[in-house]
Amino acid sequence: EIVMTQSPATLSVSPGERATLSCRASQSVRSNIAWYQQKPGQAPRLLIYGASTRATDIPARFSGSGSGTEFTLTISSLQSEDFAVYYCQQYNNRPPTFGPGTIVDIK
Amino acid sequence: EVQLVQSGAEVKKPGESLKISCKGSGYSFTNYWIAWVRQMPGRGLEYMGIIYPGDAETRYSPSFQGQVTISADKSVSTAYLQWNSLNASDTAMYYCARSRVEGSGTYGHWGQGTLVTVSS
Repeated sequence: EIVMTQSPATLSVSPGERATLSCRASQSVRSNIAWYQQKPGQAPRLLIYGASTRATDIPARFSGSGSGTEFTLTISSLQSEDFAVYYCQQYNNRPPTFGPGTIVDIK
Repeated sequence: EVQLVQSGAEVKKPGESLKISCKGSGYSFTNYWIAWVRQMPGRGLEYMGIIYPGDAETRYSPSFQGQVTISADKSVSTAYLQWNSLNASDTAMYYCARSRVEGSGTYGHWGQGTLVTVSS
């Protein structure tokens, strides 16, 4: 089973600032990685798939990059609605696995 | 509009059985994988397993194999997650999620979640 790790565990950011979240896979997952956002009391929402493709209706301030074992989610200018938990997920190998999440909170 | 509507919250005692549901609408139910994902209180997302309603092919994460049963009834466009004997550690929110496109390993549509509480 591929183990996903995320850093940092918590990221404190001021509105309008840039946020950079990292995700690492224990072995290569090529570009088969997705990012999800989860707000308190809500189901996760797909943001990015294929490492860098935004899902439907996702704002352009969200971008993903990376391949192999190292991935990054960047939020270019944080809006109030972006404070949430972000999970990466690999789907290259079975079973799919999620990272432990990064909490993005208000500085 | 694609929708996944899950059954309501449950409170059960240890040792009891339970079956929760996830009804899909707005798309061809038989053509998309449905996954079940566990989220324990204050914790992250855990993939439990997946079913393809078209032919009932089911795959389980090793951590959940033998602990739960995933099934689907395509006649009512509903997927199920079932326990034969609950224990306190099954207390969690359970989400169903549909693959983003046919055959995709990403999940673009999620149910609202079913909270399962197991307590004596």
